[in-house]
Amino acid sequence: AQSVTQPDIHITVSEGASLELRCNYSYGATPYLFWYVQSPGQGLQLLLKYFSGDTLVQGIKGFEAEFKRSQSSFNLRKPSVHWSDAAEYFCAVLMDSNYQLIWGAGTKLIIKP
Amino acid sequence: EAGVTQFPSHSVIEKGQTVTLRCDPISGHDNLYWYRRVMGKEIKFLLHFVKESKQDESGMPNNRFLAERTGGTYSTLKVQPAELEDSGVYFCASSQRLAGKNIQYFGAGTRLSVL
Repeated sequence: AQSVTQPDIHITVSEGASLELRCNYSYGATPYLFWYVQSPGQGLQLLLKYFSGDTLVQGIKGFEAEFKRSQSSFNLRKPSVHWSDAAEYFCAVLMDSNYQLIWGAGTKLIIKP
Repeated sequence: EAGVTQFPSHSVIEKGQTVTLRCDPISGHDNLYWYRRVMGKEIKFLLHFVKESKQDESGMPNNRFLAERTGGTYSTLKVQPAELEDSGVYFCASSQRLAGKNIQYFGAGTRLSVL
């Protein structure tokens, strides 16, 4: 069955430090992959997406993600986090059979001053 | 351009009562989706409209949930009667395209608390 795994429920990093959030997927076909972010009191905002082509994709707010087919991964990275990056981050895969998004459990990012 | 808007942002009701959630998609988006996140769980798909038609309602939990999209514009999701396990955040999304590069844009969600 199709699934998305985000192994880290919480991650704490210091402001200015680098960040990597992990995402692994299980999907039979070529995946369409997404990262969304939910800041406190806000909705789900699209950070970036992968459909095809270059496996390193750039998103908003200085985020990037790399698609690695051999590892079934789509990890999110940022070289230097800011306090405003504190939020919950969701990885998702789009099922092209019925256009549902299948979601990971989310990772809460905590920023230490 | 206005994004996806949802009303209300928060609803607190008692078990057995009825609640109606509303979603206004981005103008011109034929595809509208409802998702739900129950506390501590993943976000789960509920259903998908294409214009006014239900394309897929495989995620609807039971017949206490009724979704409509009159005229292919805004959508409502009614829960009647509400149960404790219905508590969670209900998200609405819309997309312009279906096949290929389907990008779903989300609203802020409605937090439903059933007491």
